Amino acid sequence: QQPVQSPQAVILREGEDAVINCSSSKALYSVHWYRQKHGEAPVFLMILLKGGEQKGHEKISASFNEKKQQSSLYLTASQLSYSGTYFCGTVKTGANNLFFGTGTRLTVIP
Amino acid sequence: NAGVTQTPKFQVLKTGQSMTLQCAQDMNHNSMYWYRQDPGMGLRLIYYSASEGTTDKGEVPNGYNVSRLNKREFSLRLESAAPSQTSVYFCASSDGAGGRYNEQFFGPGTRLTVL
Repeated sequence: QQPVQSPQAVILREGEDAVINCSSSKALYSVHWYRQKHGEAPVFLMILLKGGEQKGHEKISASFNEKKQQSSLYLTASQLSYSGTYFCGTVKTGANNLFFGTGTRLTVIP
Repeated sequence: NAGVTQTPKFQVLKTGQSMTLQCAQDMNHNSMYWYRQDPGMGLRLIYYSASEGTTDKGEVPNGYNVSRLNKREFSLRLESAAPSQTSVYFCASSDGAGGRYNEQFFGPGTRLTVL
């Protein structure tokens, strides 16, 4: 039930854009995005719900394709502070718990 | 507010020893969770509690037990530690009953090594 994330790792220069993808083989109720810096706890970024509702930080952009069970996180004009590992978590329809992907390591360099 | 706190921060055990990881939250959340994080594996749910007095198994419950002591506290017990339980353990909490549509707040983690 673990979602699949791509790419596994990406390196950006400051100001560049990136897209992180998350896909599931199950019908989904919601997709959650978290960022974790090295040695720290994961921090919430956004939730995308079936039906179009979104909850999260205004500066974060993401999409949820309910038909394809796919979500994408869009990081624009990247800053050094964006570096970290991004995890998507999915909740399948009828369930109550998150299954996390294995993460995408994002490194932003000057 | 402290958010979610975990003790201890680090622990080294010998195979067969037992220990309890403690977690507390001060946000009046109904739901609490225990995850483990291994390199390359992401976060995997061990147990969760959707409300005070209830607990349910997650993805990887074998070798663990939990207690929801009250609304604030949720402990994880390893009865007989094994090297395969070497991991970083995170406790989290969220509002509502379950994690399907609410933000989860994570504690700082406990780094456990079993020799």
